[in-house]
Amino acid sequence: KQEVTQIPAALSVPEGENLVLNCSFTDSAIYNLQWFRQDPGKGLTSLLLIQSSQREQTSGRLNASLDKSSGRSTLYIAASQPGDSATYLCAVWRASGSRLTFGEGTQLTVNP
Amino acid sequence: GAVVSQHPSWVICKSGTSVKIECRSLDFQATTMFWYRQFPKQSLMLMATSNEGSKATYEQGVEKDKFLINHASLTLSTLTVTSAHPEDSSFYICSARARGFPRNEQYFGPGTRLTVT
Repeated sequence: KQEVTQIPAALSVPEGENLVLNCSFTDSAIYNLQWFRQDPGKGLTSLLLIQSSQREQTSGRLNASLDKSSGRSTLYIAASQPGDSATYLCAVWRASGSRLTFGEGTQLTVNP
Repeated sequence: GAVVSQHPSWVICKSGTSVKIECRSLDFQATTMFWYRQFPKQSLMLMATSNEGSKATYEQGVEKDKFLINHASLTLSTLTVTSAHPEDSSFYICSARARGFPRNEQYFGPGTRLTVT
């Protein structure tokens, strides 16, 4: 059974700081990994998707890396802004699976 | 990017009544749709998976007679909460996978807040 863990559960940083969110998964046989953002009371917005054959993906100030062998992914946010405040979720799609398995999320607060 | 809509965005109903939530893929054909439930401060819990034209597959512990899912077309899935009770109050989110999109990416709707009084 695939389990996904996100550390830390909550993070508060001052504006402008670079930060790293961590995601680990127990079964390395994955098809892809997605990072999502969720604002309070809203649905999920896909930020980055990394295929199992890829090592990283970048979009603007966001960079996600994937180390499949160690079962880890990181989401790097550069020059954080108050608008980045949200819950960040990572989810993996198992190679033999039929659904995404989500972590519990990291609640990020960026203080002005 | 691909867009998934949900209607209504929020609904309040009385205990014992039924509520229908619609999920639509606006600019793509969704071969598979997923329904999730989310409680405050928790992550998403998959309720069921449905493929167009087939019966939904429910996760363990989810009552299929209570949460009726219909995926009648490639752009529409509905979730009906029958005989709703206060414990059914939650945030329901649908998601869709696109036919022909090579990356197997899932797109999520904005969610529906259900409150049962």
